[in-house]
Amino acid sequence: GESVGLHLPTLSVQEGDNSIINCAYSNSASDYFIWYKQESGKGPQFIIDIRSNMDKRQGQRVTVLLNKTVKHLSLQIAATQPGDSAVYFCAENHPGNQFYFGTGTSLTVIP
Amino acid sequence: GAGVSQSPSNKVTEKGKDVELRCDPISGHTALYWYRQSLGQGLEFLIYFQGNSAPDKSGLPSDRFSAERTGGSVSTLTIQRTQQEDSAVYLCASSVLTQSETQYFGPGTRLLVL
Repeated sequence: GESVGLHLPTLSVQEGDNSIINCAYSNSASDYFIWYKQESGKGPQFIIDIRSNMDKRQGQRVTVLLNKTVKHLSLQIAATQPGDSAVYFCAENHPGNQFYFGTGTSLTVIP
Repeated sequence: GAGVSQSPSNKVTEKGKDVELRCDPISGHTALYWYRQSLGQGLEFLIYFQGNSAPDKSGLPSDRFSAERTGGSVSTLTIQRTQQEDSAVYLCASSVLTQSETQYFGPGTRLLVL
């Protein structure tokens, strides 16, 4: 999966299926994480965030899971739609420092 | 409400020319960031402004790159004597107070240096 150092370049899923995009982070001091969606020709768009005092957070059709033990973050998209096709970035932050962004996973939804 | 805006959306220039890229952050946001995104790459941090503090310029790749933020709002990123390797998407973001908060991005300026 994606990491703030490595990445899984592409993921293809059938429309209606669930998607899981993974991200590994390296800094155990990071306490705030964000998933962004970037459509072609546009800037990154905030999807969902999570702080390190939580291990799960749900939004509309999206869920972020945080496993601090193995420093792993995932984004789950339920009932994936064609409009979900985009590049998804994770970003990590630890206090007083800038965000570090992963290189992104390209999600393609097959109709 | 209005988000982060950037102009121009696209810029084509010749090698050696100077370019200026503009960013209007979300009203009331005191923190502003510039990033560079090359094709298929992640976001490369360039510079960070926070209120009236001295900017964090640690990400600027060379002295050809500079940025200003006037009146605590609009920012301009200037690239002097552009090179072909400067071709990229330049993204601006803003957040309410500090760099440890959610950043909201503009649509980017796509720069092509011929």
